[in-house]
Amino acid sequence: QPQLQESGPGLVKPSETLSLTCTVSGGSISSSSYYWGWIRQPPGKGLEWIGSIYRSGSTYYNPSLKSRVTMSVDKPKNQFSLKVTSVTAADTAVYYCATIGGLDWGYINDYWGQGTLVIVSS
Amino acid sequence: DIQMTQSPSSLSASVGDRVTITCRASQSISIYLNWYQQKPGKAPKLLIHAASRLQSGIPSRFSGSGSGTDFTLTISSLQREDFATYYCQRSYSTPTFAFGQGTKLEIK
Repeated sequence: QPQLQESGPGLVKPSETLSLTCTVSGGSISSSSYYWGWIRQPPGKGLEWIGSIYRSGSTYYNPSLKSRVTMSVDKPKNQFSLKVTSVTAADTAVYYCATIGGLDWGYINDYWGQGTLVIVSS
Repeated sequence: DIQMTQSPSSLSASVGDRVTITCRASQSISIYLNWYQQKPGKAPKLLIHAASRLQSGIPSRFSGSGSGTDFTLTISSLQREDFATYYCQRSYSTPTFAFGQGTKLEIK
């Protein structure tokens, strides 16, 4: 089963770009079995889906974040990445990467990273 | 965009109680509905998918029901390890999602 690990700066200045990477082990990012996704959770609040990406690079983004979000896949490194531009304090959150498995009725987030806290502050 | 609303936002119960959490979609989502459990400082854990299908390894005291716009998660006999926050999640035929705001289940 895949194991995921988020990495990236824990502190980002307002108006700058947040960049995170998710490294996949125990499975291949080129697998046809999964999409790969990012989900975030502001401190003390609920979960928010950010986006999903397939091995081909095709993406789906949350409409509320679409103008600021870019996801990409790095097959040789078995990683996928997230960039969020023009960040504000509202982007402060724990960011999770997760697998997205397709079933006969919809998709699920079956494997998750441990999460990484990103604070937006000057 | 389809909105997901959970109720209640918080719930106090005792070990052995039967509890039910409700999730309502702003329009019909058939059975494209998942449930997750999250404990403090941990990633969410999938409990149920397609409204009523128990994920492998999840105890049978957890069950889900519903279709269309109204869904429920039921825990038949609460165990101490079940005290956590529960989220419903709308999935779809594409890998796009929306979460409910969560229900915090606390010990009475």
